Amino acid sequence: NAGVTQTPKFQVLKTGQSMTLQCAQDMNHEYMSWYRQDPGMGLRLIHYSVGAGITDQGEVPNGYNVSRSTTEDFPLRLLSAAPSQTSVYFCASNSGGTRVYEQYFGPGTRLTVT
Amino acid sequence: AQKITQTQPGMFVQEKEAVTLDCTYDTSDPSYGLFWYKQPSSGEMIFLIYQGSYDQQNATEGRYSLNFQKARKSANLVISASQLGDSAMYFCAMRGLTNAGKSTFGDGTTLTVKP
Repeated sequence: NAGVTQTPKFQVLKTGQSMTLQCAQDMNHEYMSWYRQDPGMGLRLIHYSVGAGITDQGEVPNGYNVSRSTTEDFPLRLLSAAPSQTSVYFCASNSGGTRVYEQYFGPGTRLTVT
Repeated sequence: AQKITQTQPGMFVQEKEAVTLDCTYDTSDPSYGLFWYKQPSSGEMIFLIYQGSYDQQNATEGRYSLNFQKARKSANLVISASQLGDSAMYFCAMRGLTNAGKSTFGDGTTLTVKP
């Protein structure tokens, strides 16, 4: 059981470049989420998914796209990177129902945009 | 809408003493869960404790306990017998049970345990 995996661990982009952050979970969780954490701050929700084919915006969705074609994968796409997107990105998954408290986080991707 | 407020940017505690980290929340969801996470300097998010809004008793997990006061909308974390390894950032978070995909986090409290 690998839990939640994220790739890459580190990435440096130039302004205007695009890229995809990968996230996968092997726990058959219906919910998956992407957060960003700026230095000295808490996590802010970018996008989330309540199941395959269903996504919705969080608090800070601008500049990011997501899709969820399978239960396992939830990639985050940066369309045109900006220095303001320099942050640590966390992917998380959780189940609903009686085990809703169990939310698992990936190790994070540290992104720098120059 | 959900909101979490942590008013203590930094806290110091002497080793072996207890410390309380404050958290207040606001939500329109009738059913919700409250969480505390620890983030050490290595960066990973470590789940500590959970409190459901309809739980009658305060949650406890080892040295961690959650002081839940629903009327005051507070969910303070109490760490007993602090250890040097407790030095980390601590985040309070909540999730409405009707939309379990959306978690809201506070800005965190940096705890430093002094020897």
